[in-house]
Amino acid sequence: QMQLVQSGAEVKKPGSSVKVACKASGGTFSNSAINWVRQAPGQGLEWMGRIIPSLDIPNYAQKFQGTVTITADKSTSTAYLELSSLRSEDTAVYYCAKNPGVWGQGTLVTVSS
Amino acid sequence: EIVLTQSPGTLSLSPGERATLSCRASQSVSSNYFAWYQQKPGQAPRLLIYGASSRATGIPDRFSGSGSGTDFTLTISRLEPEDSAVYYCQQYAGFLCSFGQGTKLEIK
Repeated sequence: QMQLVQSGAEVKKPGSSVKVACKASGGTFSNSAINWVRQAPGQGLEWMGRIIPSLDIPNYAQKFQGTVTITADKSTSTAYLELSSLRSEDTAVYYCAKNPGVWGQGTLVTVSS
Repeated sequence: EIVLTQSPGTLSLSPGERATLSCRASQSVSSNYFAWYQQKPGQAPRLLIYGASSRATGIPDRFSGSGSGTDFTLTISRLEPEDSAVYYCQQYAGFLCSFGQGTKLEIK
Protein backbone atom coordinates (compact mmCIF):
# COMPACT_ATOMS: atom_id res chain seq x y z
CA GLN A 1 0.00 0.00 0.00
CA MET A 2 1.38 3.36 -1.04
CA GLN A 3 2.01 6.00 1.62
CA LEU A 4 2.32 9.72 0.90
CA VAL A 5 4.31 12.12 3.07
CA GLN A 6 4.16 15.85 2.36
CA SER A 7 6.56 18.68 3.05
CA GLY A 8 6.05 21.00 5.99
CA ALA A 9 3.98 24.11 6.49
CA GLU A 10 4.89 27.29 4.62
CA VAL A 11 4.33 30.98 5.26
CA LYS A 12 4.61 33.13 2.15
CA LYS A 13 4.23 36.76 1.15
CA PRO A 14 1.62 37.78 -1.39
CA GLY A 15 3.00 37.62 -4.93
CA SER A 16 5.57 34.96 -4.11
CA SER A 17 5.60 31.27 -5.05
CA VAL A 18 5.59 28.02 -3.13
CA LYS A 19 6.34 24.41 -4.07
CA VAL A 20 4.79 21.63 -2.00
CA ALA A 21 6.29 18.15 -2.15
CA CYS A 22 4.59 14.77 -1.81
CA LYS A 23 6.92 11.77 -1.42
CA ALA A 24 5.54 8.30 -2.10
CA SER A 25 6.73 5.04 -0.62
CA GLY A 26 5.41 1.56 -1.42
CA GLY A 27 3.25 0.86 -4.44
CA THR A 28 4.13 1.85 -8.00
CA PHE A 29 4.63 5.59 -8.11
CA SER A 30 5.28 5.90 -11.83
CA ASN A 31 1.94 4.42 -12.91
CA SER A 32 -0.17 6.01 -10.17
CA ALA A 33 -2.28 9.12 -10.64
CA ILE A 34 -1.23 11.56 -7.91
CA ASN A 35 -3.87 14.19 -7.25
CA TRP A 36 -3.71 17.54 -5.47
CA VAL A 37 -6.65 18.76 -3.41
CA ARG A 38 -7.14 22.14 -1.76
CA GLN A 39 -9.09 22.84 1.40
CA ALA A 40 -9.43 26.48 2.38
CA PRO A 41 -10.22 27.25 6.04
CA GLY A 42 -13.71 26.04 6.89
CA GLN A 43 -14.37 25.00 3.30
CA GLY A 44 -14.77 21.75 1.39
CA LEU A 45 -12.41 19.66 -0.70
CA GLU A 46 -11.49 21.06 -4.08
CA TRP A 47 -9.70 18.96 -6.71
CA MET A 48 -6.92 20.92 -8.39
CA GLY A 49 -5.29 18.48 -10.77
CA ARG A 50 -3.27 15.32 -11.11
CA ILE A 51 -0.31 13.72 -12.80
CA ILE A 52 0.70 10.19 -13.77
CA PRO A 53 4.50 10.30 -13.47
CA SER A 54 5.15 7.77 -16.23
CA LEU A 55 3.16 9.92 -18.69
CA ASP A 56 4.36 13.23 -17.24
CA ILE A 57 1.25 15.00 -18.54
CA PRO A 58 -0.71 16.87 -15.87
CA ASN A 59 -4.46 17.41 -15.96
CA TYR A 60 -5.92 20.45 -14.24
CA ALA A 61 -9.34 21.52 -13.06
CA GLN A 62 -10.47 24.42 -15.19
CA LYS A 63 -10.38 26.75 -12.19
CA PHE A 64 -6.68 26.15 -11.64
CA GLN A 65 -5.47 26.09 -15.27
CA GLY A 66 -2.61 28.52 -15.64
CA THR A 67 -2.25 29.24 -11.92
CA VAL A 68 -0.73 26.01 -10.63
CA THR A 69 1.90 23.60 -11.91
CA ILE A 70 1.98 19.91 -11.09
CA THR A 71 5.14 17.93 -11.75
CA ALA A 72 6.67 14.64 -10.71
CA ASP A 73 10.18 13.22 -10.28
CA LYS A 74 10.21 9.47 -10.87
CA SER A 75 13.76 9.15 -9.56
CA THR A 76 12.70 10.27 -6.07
CA SER A 77 9.03 9.16 -6.21
CA THR A 78 7.98 12.70 -5.43
CA ALA A 79 5.17 14.80 -6.85
CA TYR A 80 5.11 18.57 -6.61
CA LEU A 81 2.51 21.30 -6.58
CA GLU A 82 3.72 24.80 -7.38
CA LEU A 83 1.58 27.84 -6.73
CA SER A 84 2.67 31.18 -8.12
CA SER A 85 1.55 34.79 -7.61
CA LEU A 86 0.18 33.83 -4.23
CA ARG A 87 -2.76 35.73 -2.78
CA SER A 88 -4.34 35.59 0.66
CA GLU A 89 -7.13 33.47 -0.85
CA ASP A 90 -4.57 30.72 -1.50
CA THR A 91 -4.24 30.17 2.23
CA ALA A 92 -5.31 26.55 2.61
CA VAL A 93 -4.30 23.02 3.42
CA TYR A 94 -3.05 21.25 0.31
CA TYR A 95 -3.30 17.48 0.14
CA CYS A 96 -1.81 15.01 -2.29
CA ALA A 97 -3.83 11.85 -2.78
CA LYS A 98 -3.95 8.62 -4.72
CA ASN A 99 -7.51 7.49 -5.42
CA PRO A 100 -9.16 5.95 -3.66
CA GLY A 101 -8.23 6.64 -0.12
CA VAL A 102 -4.46 7.22 0.10
CA TRP A 103 -3.83 10.76 1.35
CA GLY A 104 -0.85 12.74 2.50
CA GLN A 105 -1.07 14.45 5.86
CA GLY A 106 -1.67 17.85 4.29
CA THR A 107 0.50 20.96 4.01
CA LEU A 108 -0.73 24.28 5.36
CA VAL A 109 0.24 27.19 3.15
CA THR A 110 -0.37 30.57 4.73
CA VAL A 111 -0.17 33.67 2.57
CA SER A 112 0.20 36.81 4.62
CA SER A 113 2.03 40.10 4.44
CA GLU B 1 -16.37 18.63 -15.59
CA ILE B 2 -18.77 16.55 -13.48
CA VAL B 3 -20.46 18.48 -10.67
CA LEU B 4 -21.48 16.54 -7.57
CA THR B 5 -24.26 18.01 -5.44
CA GLN B 6 -24.76 16.68 -1.93
CA SER B 7 -27.85 16.93 0.21
CA PRO B 8 -28.71 17.85 2.82
CA GLY B 9 -26.10 20.42 3.70
CA THR B 10 -26.45 19.68 7.40
CA LEU B 11 -28.03 16.75 9.17
CA SER B 12 -28.73 16.66 12.90
CA LEU B 13 -29.67 13.26 14.34
CA SER B 14 -29.55 11.38 17.62
CA PRO B 15 -27.42 8.36 18.51
CA GLY B 16 -28.99 5.14 17.29
CA GLU B 17 -30.82 6.83 14.41
CA ARG B 18 -30.18 6.25 10.73
CA ALA B 19 -28.55 8.84 8.45
CA THR B 20 -29.12 8.99 4.71
CA LEU B 21 -26.77 11.22 2.70
CA SER B 22 -27.32 11.87 -0.98
CA CYS B 23 -24.97 12.75 -3.83
CA ARG B 24 -26.23 13.62 -7.31
CA ALA B 25 -23.94 13.91 -10.33
CA SER B 26 -24.48 16.31 -13.23
CA GLN B 27 -23.87 13.40 -15.62
CA SER B 28 -23.59 9.65 -15.32
CA VAL B 29 -20.61 8.42 -13.29
CA SER B 30 -19.03 4.98 -13.35
CA SER B 31 -19.75 3.26 -10.05
CA ASN B 32 -16.23 1.82 -10.14
CA TYR B 33 -14.83 5.30 -9.57
CA PHE B 34 -17.18 6.64 -6.93
CA ALA B 35 -16.23 7.04 -3.27
CA TRP B 36 -17.38 8.45 0.05
CA TYR B 37 -15.10 10.06 2.65
CA GLN B 38 -15.43 11.14 6.25
CA GLN B 39 -13.49 14.13 7.52
CA LYS B 40 -13.10 15.30 11.09
CA PRO B 41 -11.57 18.66 12.07
CA GLY B 42 -7.82 18.83 11.61
CA GLN B 43 -7.65 15.46 9.88
CA ALA B 44 -7.21 14.27 6.31
CA PRO B 45 -10.28 12.67 4.74
CA ARG B 46 -10.81 9.00 5.56
CA LEU B 47 -12.07 6.61 2.89
CA LEU B 48 -15.34 4.94 3.84
CA ILE B 49 -16.71 3.52 0.60
CA TYR B 50 -15.17 2.89 -2.81
CA GLY B 51 -16.69 1.44 -5.96
CA ALA B 52 -19.96 3.01 -4.75
CA SER B 53 -20.73 0.15 -2.34
CA SER B 54 -17.53 -1.51 -1.07
CA ARG B 55 -16.45 -0.69 2.46
CA ALA B 56 -12.83 0.30 2.93
CA THR B 57 -10.62 -1.65 5.31
CA GLY B 58 -11.63 -1.23 8.93
CA ILE B 59 -14.91 0.57 8.23
CA PRO B 60 -17.79 -0.71 10.38
CA ASP B 61 -20.71 -2.37 8.62
CA ARG B 62 -22.94 0.45 9.91
CA PHE B 63 -21.68 2.34 6.85
CA SER B 64 -23.09 1.32 3.47
CA GLY B 65 -23.11 2.83 0.01
CA SER B 66 -25.47 2.36 -2.90
CA GLY B 67 -26.47 3.89 -6.18
CA SER B 68 -25.46 4.15 -9.80
CA GLY B 69 -25.56 6.51 -12.74
CA THR B 70 -26.24 9.96 -11.29
CA ASP B 71 -27.63 9.13 -7.84
CA PHE B 72 -25.62 7.73 -4.96
CA THR B 73 -26.39 7.29 -1.27
CA LEU B 74 -24.37 6.82 1.90
CA THR B 75 -26.32 5.26 4.75
CA ILE B 76 -25.12 5.18 8.33
CA SER B 77 -27.27 2.97 10.49
CA ARG B 78 -27.23 3.11 14.29
CA LEU B 79 -25.43 6.45 14.59
CA GLU B 80 -22.74 6.81 17.22
CA PRO B 81 -21.32 10.05 18.65
CA GLU B 82 -18.02 9.55 16.80
CA ASP B 83 -19.86 9.69 13.45
CA SER B 84 -20.07 13.46 13.84
CA ALA B 85 -18.08 14.73 10.84
CA VAL B 86 -18.32 16.13 7.33
CA TYR B 87 -18.95 13.57 4.59
CA TYR B 88 -17.86 14.04 0.98
CA CYS B 89 -18.68 12.13 -2.17
CA GLN B 90 -16.07 11.88 -4.93
CA GLN B 91 -15.90 10.71 -8.52
CA TYR B 92 -12.57 10.04 -10.21
CA ALA B 93 -13.35 8.51 -13.58
CA GLY B 94 -11.28 9.68 -16.52
CA PHE B 95 -8.79 12.50 -16.38
CA LEU B 96 -10.73 14.69 -14.01
CA CYS B 97 -11.94 14.28 -10.46
CA SER B 98 -14.49 16.14 -8.38
CA PHE B 99 -15.92 16.28 -4.87
CA GLY B 100 -19.32 17.18 -3.57
CA GLN B 101 -19.54 20.20 -1.31
CA GLY B 102 -20.01 18.04 1.78
CA THR B 103 -22.74 17.12 4.27
CA LYS B 104 -22.15 18.03 7.89
CA LEU B 105 -23.52 15.37 10.22
CA GLU B 106 -24.17 16.46 13.77
CA ILE B 107 -24.97 13.96 16.49
CA LYS B 108 -27.26 15.47 19.12
